[in-house]
Amino acid sequence: DIQMTQSPSSLSASVGDRVTITCRASQSIGTYLNWYQQKPGKAPKLMIYAASSLQGGVPSRFSGSGSGTDFTLTISSLQPEDFATYYCQQAYSTMYTFGQGTKLEIK
Amino acid sequence: EVQLVESGGGLVQPGGSLRLSCAASGFTFSSHWMHWVRQAPGKGLVWVSCVNSDGSSTSYADSVKGRFTISRDNARNTLSLQMNSLRAEDTAVYYCARDPRYGAGYYYYYYMDVWGKGTTVTVSS
Repeated sequence: DIQMTQSPSSLSASVGDRVTITCRASQSIGTYLNWYQQKPGKAPKLMIYAASSLQGGVPSRFSGSGSGTDFTLTISSLQPEDFATYYCQQAYSTMYTFGQGTKLEIK
Repeated sequence: EVQLVESGGGLVQPGGSLRLSCAASGFTFSSHWMHWVRQAPGKGLVWVSCVNSDGSSTSYADSVKGRFTISRDNARNTLSLQMNSLRAEDTAVYYCARDPRYGAGYYYYYYMDVWGKGTTVTVSS
């Protein structure tokens, strides 16, 4: 199985900050990497697919980059509604796997 | 409106069985792969299983292989997950999710873009 490791596991930041979350795959996955946002009690929401493509309706302050084994999700200027948990997910293998999540909290 | 609605969750004893359903509406169900993803209380997302668009191919996480069976009925726009030999560690919210899985030029896009709200499964005596 392909293992996905996110860092950090949690992050405190302020409104307006620029934040970056990192995701590393245990083997090369090309750009088959997706990012999801999840708020408490809610279903996950697709934010970025294919490593860098913004899902429709997602604000442009979100961006993704990377290929191979190393990927990043960047939020350029945090808004109050961005505080949530973020998961990366590989789609290189039919057996999808998720990172452990990064909880983004208000400082 | 594109929608997925899960049902069938509940309380079951260890070793018991449960069948989850996911009703799809607002899109061409038969054109999409479908997945089940679960989330134990306070924990992260875990992929469980998927089925291709016509139901001829399935895949499972090692933790559920041999115990869970995914299936679909394209005539009824319904996805199912039959869960047998349930264990305490299967306790989770179970989500169904849509996977467009399409190609554009040389690249294929695989992701889960529509999710249901989830159904809760509790395995406890």
